[in-house]
Amino acid sequence: EPEVTQTPSHQVTQMGQEVILRCVPISNHLYFYWYRQILGQKVEFLVSFYNNEISEKSEIFDDQFSVERPDGSNFTLKIRSTKLEDSAMYFCASSNWEVPTGELFFGEGSRLTVL
Amino acid sequence: AQKITQTQPGMFVQEKEAVTLDCTYDTSDQSYGLFWYKQPSSGEMIFLIYQGSYDEQNATEGRYSLNFQKARKSANLVISASQLGDSAMYFCAMRESNTGNQFYFGTGTSLTVIP
Repeated sequence: EPEVTQTPSHQVTQMGQEVILRCVPISNHLYFYWYRQILGQKVEFLVSFYNNEISEKSEIFDDQFSVERPDGSNFTLKIRSTKLEDSAMYFCASSNWEVPTGELFFGEGSRLTVL
Repeated sequence: AQKITQTQPGMFVQEKEAVTLDCTYDTSDQSYGLFWYKQPSSGEMIFLIYQGSYDEQNATEGRYSLNFQKARKSANLVISASQLGDSAMYFCAMRESNTGNQFYFGTGTSLTVIP
């Protein structure tokens, strides 16, 4: 069964360092997303991406964040200068609106710990 | 206003009993989709069930059913014959057609199944 894959599963970094989280969405999906979940809290939308550009972003997704689809398969989230409050589980997801349900398929998440 | 409201932070159910997890939503769109996801302690997000706003029948998937009351804007998840493996966080989510591809998530309900 096709799945969304994310790497790394866990990353520990020092405050101020740059972090890149990688995702391989399901191959025939057209819509890509990043969500984050601070431990024990709700799932928060960060950004959506369609047709090689950002289609929507939340207030959380400030200038420290960027996304890229560099090679047609990977979808990356970069945090330029990490802060303590960036510690969270980051989920990549993809969706195919061609099917009636169009549900989000999530990856297993990348846990980011900022020290 | 919150797009998705889940008012039960925690629920307990006896094994083999049925349980209802509440979800209300807020939208002015005529076309939208409602989703439930399960998040076990391992952290991954598992799609459970979908209800389209134009679907007249309540959605069912195995032991999961969605009690869709459109006029009340509620989309409660019913789990029948609870099993120990059902213990997890459950998130209700909505996708509106006018916001295109953003999914809104509730704060989640933690379900514990008691043997």
